Amino acid sequence: AQSVTQPDIHITVSEGASLELRCNYSYGATPYLFWYVQSPGQGLQLLLKYFSGDTLVQGIKGFEAEFKRSQSSFNLRKPSVHWSDAAEYFCAVATGPYGNKLVFGAGTILRVKS
Amino acid sequence: KAGVTQTPRYLIKTRGQQVTLSCSPISGHRSVSWYQQTPGQGLQFLFEYFSETQRNKGNFPGRFSGRQFSNSRSEMNVSTLELGDSALYLCASSPLWGGANEKLFFGSGTQLSVL
Repeated sequence: AQSVTQPDIHITVSEGASLELRCNYSYGATPYLFWYVQSPGQGLQLLLKYFSGDTLVQGIKGFEAEFKRSQSSFNLRKPSVHWSDAAEYFCAVATGPYGNKLVFGAGTILRVKS
Repeated sequence: KAGVTQTPRYLIKTRGQQVTLSCSPISGHRSVSWYQQTPGQGLQFLFEYFSETQRNKGNFPGRFSGRQFSNSRSEMNVSTLELGDSALYLCASSPLWGGANEKLFFGSGTQLSVL
């Protein structure tokens, strides 16, 4: 069965420091991978997605992610974190031949200290 | 363009009751999907509709049902509520045929509390 693992429940970084959030997936075929962000009391917003091609994908708000098939990973990175990046981040894989059926990881809560 | 609208924003019900949640997708979007978010189970897929047809269904009991209308608006219903149904229910829409490679636009959710 498809699954997504985010090993870090909480991460705290200083403002201006770099960030890497880890994501590992289990999926038999070429995966469609996503990173979403959720602020408290809000829905989810797509940061970036990977379907094929260049394994380094750029997203909104200065985020990027790298797909590594050999490691079944899709880690999210940002070179310099801003206080407004504090939120919960979810990695997800799309399953099925069609339709938006996503399997999400448990999420990583990012705290930013000044 | 207005975003995905979910009503009501908050709901309190008691065990055994039923509840209906509403979702209006972004204008022109034809695919609507529903997710349940709880602290214990995280985000779980409920079902997905496209052109009034349910195309995908998650692993939830039959007490959870949904439908989509010809204007793409969707409702989900939970009958015989249980305490464990307390959750944030998120609706998402996508613009074209609802393919796996499409961007999902999420609403802010309906927070359901079952007492």
